Amino acid sequence: DVKVTQSSRYLVKRTGEKVFLECVQDMDHENMFWYRQDPGLGLRLIYFSYDVKMKEKGDIPEGYSVSREKKERFSLILESASTNQTSMYLCASYGLSGEGDEQFFGPGTRLTVL
Amino acid sequence: SQQGEEDPQALSIQEGENATMNCSYKTSINNLQWYRQNSGRGLVHLILIRSNEREKHSGRLRVTLDTSKKSSSSLITASRAADTASYFCEASGGSYIPTFGRGTSLIVHP
Repeated sequence: DVKVTQSSRYLVKRTGEKVFLECVQDMDHENMFWYRQDPGLGLRLIYFSYDVKMKEKGDIPEGYSVSREKKERFSLILESASTNQTSMYLCASYGLSGEGDEQFFGPGTRLTVL
Repeated sequence: SQQGEEDPQALSIQEGENATMNCSYKTSINNLQWYRQNSGRGLVHLILIRSNEREKHSGRLRVTLDTSKKSSSSLITASRAADTASYFCEASGGSYIPTFGRGTSLIVHP
């Protein structure tokens, strides 16, 4: 019953490294999102995509980029990781499911940048 | 972020009709998002419209933004019973701390 998967649950990287976070959904959804979740700040939208090869900046895109080469895959890229990017990263997809429109979240990736 | 205030608080329509919900906010924003929440479920992102955009579409959803009036409208066309939910708007400015108004409770009768 897997719907949205993320490539890693826990990740530790060093400052300056290039980091790839992968997200795959198996529901044929058009819309996919990347959020980060920090204590006291809730969910903040980083980037989103309404279609293949389409991307839009969310509230906090600085320091991030994304790639949507295939409908089912939405990648978040940290070009040069910094310690303030230590966070929980959540991927989500949205579209029609058996009971109507619905958004599904992946399990999250806890990224620590040292 | 600034709290969005939705209007009306409750809306009851028949399937096939259009549903219009409004949102007002207080200060300058970077963007405004609309969310939906089905009873007992989490928030679902519907659409984001930026402060320099006036209109945006996603499927049956059409959203407009009037920054001079500090307001946004969300139109759901050809409504379905499955559209029954609460709808919230959220206006984001500088620091992002998500807060939501009481929302519009939409009921679509089959």
